[in-house]
Formats: sequence, C-alpha cells, structure tokens
Amino acid sequence: QSALTQPPSASGSPGQSVTISCTGTSSDVGDYNYVSWYQHHPGKAPKLMIFEVSKRPSGVPDRFSGSKSGNTASLTVSGLQAEDEADYYCSSYVGSNNVVFGGGTKLTVL
Amino acid sequence: QVQLVESGGGVVQPGRSLRLSCAASGFTFSSYAIHWVRQAPGKGLEWVAVILYDGSNEYYADSVKGRFTISRDNSKNTLYLQMNSLRTEDTAVYYCARDLGWLLMRWWFDPWGQGTLVTVSS
Repeated sequence: QSALTQPPSASGSPGQSVTISCTGTSSDVGDYNYVSWYQHHPGKAPKLMIFEVSKRPSGVPDRFSGSKSGNTASLTVSGLQAEDEADYYCSSYVGSNNVVFGGGTKLTVL
Repeated sequence: QVQLVESGGGVVQPGRSLRLSCAASGFTFSSYAIHWVRQAPGKGLEWVAVILYDGSNEYYADSVKGRFTISRDNSKNTLYLQMNSLRTEDTAVYYCARDLGWLLMRWWFDPWGQGTLVTVSS
C-alpha cells in the first residue's frame, strides 16, 4: 500500500490560513471516512488533531478543520500562530486491517 | 492523565532481537486497542502493528509480518513489541498509541507516547 501524498512544505504568516492536502486513491481516502490528521513537533509525541475527516478531539482549537473531496482530504489551519509550526501527517484506513500515512508536511509560520 | 511510556530501545546488530515495552496509565487499558507506529530518521510515520483490547487479534504491516509480534498484559497495563530478525531498515523511533475507539477499532491514534529509538547497525 503506497503512502498518501502530501506536499513536503507549506507556510503562512501569523493570522493567515493555510491548507494542507492529502491525496490518496479510491481504495483509501476516497472509500473510507477514516481520515485523521496528526501534529508532530520533533522530539515530542504526535498529537491527534482531526479524526473521521472533520471531527476535532476535545482540546484542539477550532482553528483546525478537516474536509474531504473525492480522493483528497485537507487540513486547514486558520489564524496561524507560531505554535502551529510543526510537521503534519494525514492517515487513512485502507481496508484489510491496515492504515497508511502521508509523507508529512512541514508547516512554517513566517 | 492518560499516558503512554515506551522503553526498551537501543542499538542492536542486524539479525538480532529486541523487545519494546509500553506502559499505560490514566485509563482502562483493557478497553482499548493499542498500536505501534514508527518513524525512520528523516522519514514519515509508518504504522507497524495493532492488538485488540482483549488480545484476541493482532494485525501487522507487511514490512514486519513474520518478524515482529505484538502482545499485551492487561494485568500489568503494558504493551509489548517483540522484534526478531532485525534489519537496518527497522531503525526508527517506535511510538505506542492508543486507538480512539472504546472496545472497538477506529484506526485513529490518541494519545501517543514519546517514543523509543531503535538503531539496527553492525
């Protein structure tokens, strides 16, 4: 199973919005609503930001939102803050008791 | 609070074995599936394995199937990963992560531990 495709980098200024895409196929992202997004500050534990395409766990700011269209899922961070600078990974269930991650996107707050 | 703490990482020669542990606290360990996820140096995340809440079933990524075994001891709130026939490409930080689903699998990971580094090198 191939990894999902994410842009290697994204950036925005404080207060701006940025969207990170996650492209899969009709066998993973397009077939299941089991898409999730993780924030990872290097050296720390990854953190769940979005699950089931667009749901936020308690404690995650509503500046973070998720969506899906066809085989592509997206994470949007609105009102960028310095602490949002991190690596972001998408993941999707792919059937047969297996899950795949994206290659990761490094978000830089300018 | 909910916490997962990995241990057991280190340097090991190719072909040798290593066992990782993940100690859980702050939640009913026996009610959740737990996963292992790894990150090779400079690479992205890769799902490794999962074991159901009661240990009744386990599933593996193709890259580790037949070499790694996931297990759990619900009386000790501890998860394990027995890694045999290690290869240089198994070098990574290994994280344990709780599945979000209670008594079922949802394939969303929350929370994660801080990770333990495994280096396979001669």
